[in-house]
Amino acid sequence: AQSVTQLGSHVSVSEGALVLLRCNYSSSVPPYLFWYVQYPNQGLQLLLKYTTGATLVKGINGFEAEFKKSETSFHLTKPSAHMSDAAEYFCAVSARYNQGGKLIFGQGTELSVKP
Amino acid sequence: DTEVTQTPKHLVMGMTNKKSLKCEQHMGHRAMYWYKQKAKKPPELMFVYSYEKLSINESVPSRFSPECPNSSLLNLHLHALQPEDSALYLCASSQTNMGLAGGETQYFGPGTRLLVL
Repeated sequence: AQSVTQLGSHVSVSEGALVLLRCNYSSSVPPYLFWYVQYPNQGLQLLLKYTTGATLVKGINGFEAEFKKSETSFHLTKPSAHMSDAAEYFCAVSARYNQGGKLIFGQGTELSVKP
Repeated sequence: DTEVTQTPKHLVMGMTNKKSLKCEQHMGHRAMYWYKQKAKKPPELMFVYSYEKLSINESVPSRFSPECPNSSLLNLHLHALQPEDSALYLCASSQTNMGLAGGETQYFGPGTRLLVL
């Protein structure tokens, strides 16, 4: 079985500061990991994903995440926050060989950006 | 084109009404999904269609009835809903659902915000 834990339901940063959103996963088989962003009153948009290969994954809007197997983590970072980054962020896991296409989401982290 | 469209954007219905939500994609994807999302919560999977056949039903009450008329279209028929069914209903698609075993991306629509009175 897979699960995802996002540490911190709400994170607040100043504009220009580092963004760090934490995600830890549990999976009995090698995972595929995703970060999605949801802006107010919108659907989810994929920021980035890890499948195989390079463990540092670069995504859209300047975000990146590093898959650390030893720490079972997939934290999302961005060097400099922008006001437009304010949104809800979801980490999700899907197991390899998973039948049926289920994404397991974390509880989400709301990012606020102060001017 | 990586767009999933959903109509209507908003829907208000009474507990005795029958309504339908519509989802469409033209990316050639063969897997389509319905999710329910309550405020400040992650999406919860309801149904998965793979090659127009229902492959997953997450024990959803029968007042929700999905339909996949063709590979581009997914409907969710609503009947005798309860106020607690008020939520954002999201549709998503992916190339195949077996492909999530290969890390496929699910593309989400903007959702239909449903209010049941």
